[in-house]
Amino acid sequence: DAGVIQSPRHEVTEMGQEVTLRCKPISGHNSLFWYRQTMMRGLELLIYFNNNVPIDDSGMPEDRFSAKMPNASFSTLKIQPSEPRDSAVYFCASSSGDLQETQYFGPGTRLLVL
Amino acid sequence: AQKITQTQPGMFVQEKEAVTLDCTYDTSDQSYGLFWYKQPSSGEMIFLIYQGSYDEQNATEGRYSLNFQKARKSANLVISASQLGDSAMYFCAMREHQGSNYQLIWGAGTKLIIKP
Repeated sequence: DAGVIQSPRHEVTEMGQEVTLRCKPISGHNSLFWYRQTMMRGLELLIYFNNNVPIDDSGMPEDRFSAKMPNASFSTLKIQPSEPRDSAVYFCASSSGDLQETQYFGPGTRLLVL
Repeated sequence: AQKITQTQPGMFVQEKEAVTLDCTYDTSDQSYGLFWYKQPSSGEMIFLIYQGSYDEQNATEGRYSLNFQKARKSANLVISASQLGDSAMYFCAMREHQGSNYQLIWGAGTKLIIKP
């Protein structure tokens, strides 16, 4: 079975550019999570969706960040305009909504903003 | 307030020895879940093991077991017969409900290095 798929795996961009990260959750999973990981702040939850609806976006740093989930098999995280402090690894995770609700992570997108 | 505490920032262990990674948690929920994830140097986050608050038996998955002591609010990960490939960051996380939804609360992680 395919796991969570993220693209691109690596992104290098210049400050001010728009960045779009993509995620395909595991088929049948109804919850999707976007995380950011940095050495300084560890793993931070940015936003999560349940049945394609954003439930909690309190972790989104500022208005430059936006996330969408137009259908059950696709989500995007967009940063516009990007800044060097956005450099991090961005993970997408999904869970099936069963009692255990284990989150399964994608491989991550390593973003570097110059 | 810190809800998940991993007191060991780093550990060195000799290959083939058993390893215990500490995790303590704080919650007022009666129903919660505890997870351990492994993050090798390649960067992916790998789910290892889960313990539900109502589970009476300690969870086990191959060489991994979870030493769950509910009264002490601890959920230590035990790795038996450690291997070089066990070198990684290990994160403890707790499922916390917020109304009808939930989030995972993460610890800061423990970096484990297995020495040959």
